[in-house]
Amino acid sequence: QVRLQQWGAGRLKPSETLSLTCAVHGGSFSGYHWSWIRQPAGKGLEWIGEIDDSGSTNYSPSLKSRVTISLDTSNNQFSLKLTSVTAADTAVYFCARALYFVWGVWGQGTTVIVSS
Amino acid sequence: SSELTQDPAVSVALGQTVRITCQGDSLRRYHANWYQQKPGQAPVLVIYGKDKRPSGIPDRFSGSSSGNTASLTITGAQAEDDADYYCNSRDNSGNLRVFGGGTRLTVL
Repeated sequence: QVRLQQWGAGRLKPSETLSLTCAVHGGSFSGYHWSWIRQPAGKGLEWIGEIDDSGSTNYSPSLKSRVTISLDTSNNQFSLKLTSVTAADTAVYFCARALYFVWGVWGQGTTVIVSS
Repeated sequence: SSELTQDPAVSVALGQTVRITCQGDSLRRYHANWYQQKPGQAPVLVIYGKDKRPSGIPDRFSGSSSGNTASLTITGAQAEDDADYYCNSRDNSGNLRVFGGGTRLTVL
């Protein structure tokens, strides 16, 4: 049974870089897309972007200029970096695994607060 | 703004049937998936590929689609179905992933 475990800094100041990592336990990267999704408090889900097992990425146009998703196959991890954060980036961030565009496995979520 | 539109809130009496809808042009071309989310938890996939259920999801959950509208139907709603439901699919280009705004389902 595949499990995703995520971690990263929970509190940032404006203009800093958000950095989160998601470890894949019990499975491999092959054949899947690995995504980041966020959810501001009390609001809906927002897709941030994804990376496939070859390292090819796809980002939401609204975040593309600030987002980097990368793969670390040697450690079975993938990561999210979001630069120049503002209060609008305050949210719960989820990592998730997709097969044929369906997210069947999710991480537990990480709360990130951006505040001066 | 979301390219998939959902009603913000729907209610259903315990044991009755409820349909939650998701509208968007891209649904004419791509299937919708449905996720259930309870407070403080990660979303859980309940329907994918328009009408398929993952293992472990009760058969009271079903999916359908017609034109630009996808639907999630819960037949015989239970108290534990009280949750937020999100549809997701691809945008018109097929390259991007989009979510509906979510529907808050209240089981009365």
